[in-house]
Amino acid sequence: TQLLEQSPQFLSIQEGENLTVYCNSSSVFSSLQWYRQEPGEGPVLLVTVVTGGEVKKLKRLTFQFGDARKDSSLHITAAQPGDTGLYLCAGHTSGTYKYIFGTGTRLKVLA
Amino acid sequence: DSGVTQTPKHLITATGQRVTLRCSPRSGDLSVYWYQQSLDQGLQFLIHYYNGEERAKGNILERFSAQQFPDLHSELNLSSLELGDSALYFCASSVGPNSYNSPLHFGNGTRLTVT
Repeated sequence: TQLLEQSPQFLSIQEGENLTVYCNSSSVFSSLQWYRQEPGEGPVLLVTVVTGGEVKKLKRLTFQFGDARKDSSLHITAAQPGDTGLYLCAGHTSGTYKYIFGTGTRLKVLA
Repeated sequence: DSGVTQTPKHLITATGQRVTLRCSPRSGDLSVYWYQQSLDQGLQFLIHYYNGEERAKGNILERFSAQQFPDLHSELNLSSLELGDSALYFCASSVGPNSYNSPLHFGNGTRLTVT
């Protein structure tokens, strides 16, 4: 069974601070995606990483895929209240026809 | 707006009852995925359909079933409902069944409350 563990589970920080969220698995994935979910809505895709060691930047968000394609991290620089939400990683393996979601990290950024 | 439509938005029913959740995928998307999200938890994969055929099953209970129709909309049927089935049920669609560069587009979910 493929599992994706995210840490931390909860994070409450002040505006302007930096943070890193981790997504770990013992399985190898063909690709990994990060989503953000806000209350009352479905998750929205932030980024897809495919190549081991790949780094992608989306404004103040930096995503990295582990060299072995088993783990990923999301780093937010100078967090803002608008970053508040549930962050989910999702792994996909070719041939399995499913995306497995991580346990989620609930982030709250205080003004 | 993701283009994925889920109805109803809210559903309140009693234990032992049966309900049907409906999902219309984004225009052009052939894959439909169903996920269950319990309070403050991640998404549990239930089932995936591609162009009318079942492609993958997750931790879906025998009391639950789904299908995808020729017009590509999908329905998730939940029967003999129990209190523990109370959750948010999300539908997501994508272009293909196995495309890593084909992200999931989620609807806004159906909140099911079993009393």
